[in-house]
Amino acid sequence: EAEVAQSPRYKITEKSQAVAFWCDPISGHATLYWYRQILGQGPELLVQFQDESVVDDSQLPKDRFSAERLKGVDSTLKIQPAELGDSAMYLCASSLAGAGNTEAFFGQGTRLTVV
Amino acid sequence: KQEVTQIPAALSVPEGENLVLNCSFTDSAIYNLQWFRQDPGKGLTSLLLIQSSQREQTSGRLNASLDKSSGRSTLYIAASQPGDSATYLCAVNSGYALNFGKGTSLLVTP
Repeated sequence: EAEVAQSPRYKITEKSQAVAFWCDPISGHATLYWYRQILGQGPELLVQFQDESVVDDSQLPKDRFSAERLKGVDSTLKIQPAELGDSAMYLCASSLAGAGNTEAFFGQGTRLTVV
Repeated sequence: KQEVTQIPAALSVPEGENLVLNCSFTDSAIYNLQWFRQDPGKGLTSLLLIQSSQREQTSGRLNASLDKSSGRSTLYIAASQPGDSATYLCAVNSGYALNFGKGTSLLVTP
C-alpha cells in the first residue's frame, strides 16, 4: 500500500545545531505539506508545496526554517539553528491536489528533541 | 481564519459502549472534513473523508456526519473496543491546507 515516507523517525539534537528532515510523498501526489505538532495540540501547517512551488509558507519561521522540493517529488525541511522550543513532531502529508475534494495522507512523523 | 474545536478533550468509556466525538468549525465554506486517528508517538491515520456535499460517511464501526450550515461534525464509534484507544483529530479543508482541532483522547477500558 502506498504511503508517505519520512526519515528519521527520531532525532535528538543540541541547541544551535542544524537538523534536517526528509519526506517522500505518495507517488503522483502533487501537493506536499509539512506540519508541526506540539504535544497535546493539533498539527499546524508550516509549509505547503504544489509540485515544486511554495503555495503557503506564512507560518514558517523563515529566520531559522527552510523547506525545499526541488524536483516536485521529495522534500526536505531544515532548521538552523535549532532552539529548545522546536521540540515537536514534524509531520509530512501529501494529496493529489491542494484544494478540492482530495484526501490527505500522513507519514509517521519525525519526533525532534532539542536539548 | 478557520477555527476548529473538539469536545470533549478526553473521554474514558468501558468496552462495548457506543460513543460520539464532536467537532465544530467557524467557517462553513469548506471543501471537506477529515477524521484522523493518532496513536501515541505516531503519525496520523485517515479514518473518514466527508465532502462538503455529503451528509455522512461510514467505514465499519465508524460513522461520521457533517452539518456544514451549523459548522458541526460528529464521529460515531459503535461497540467500542480497547484497540480504539487513541487520539481522534478532526481537520477541515477550507481550500488549501487542513485546519486541525486539538483532538479527543479516547480510552476504552476492558
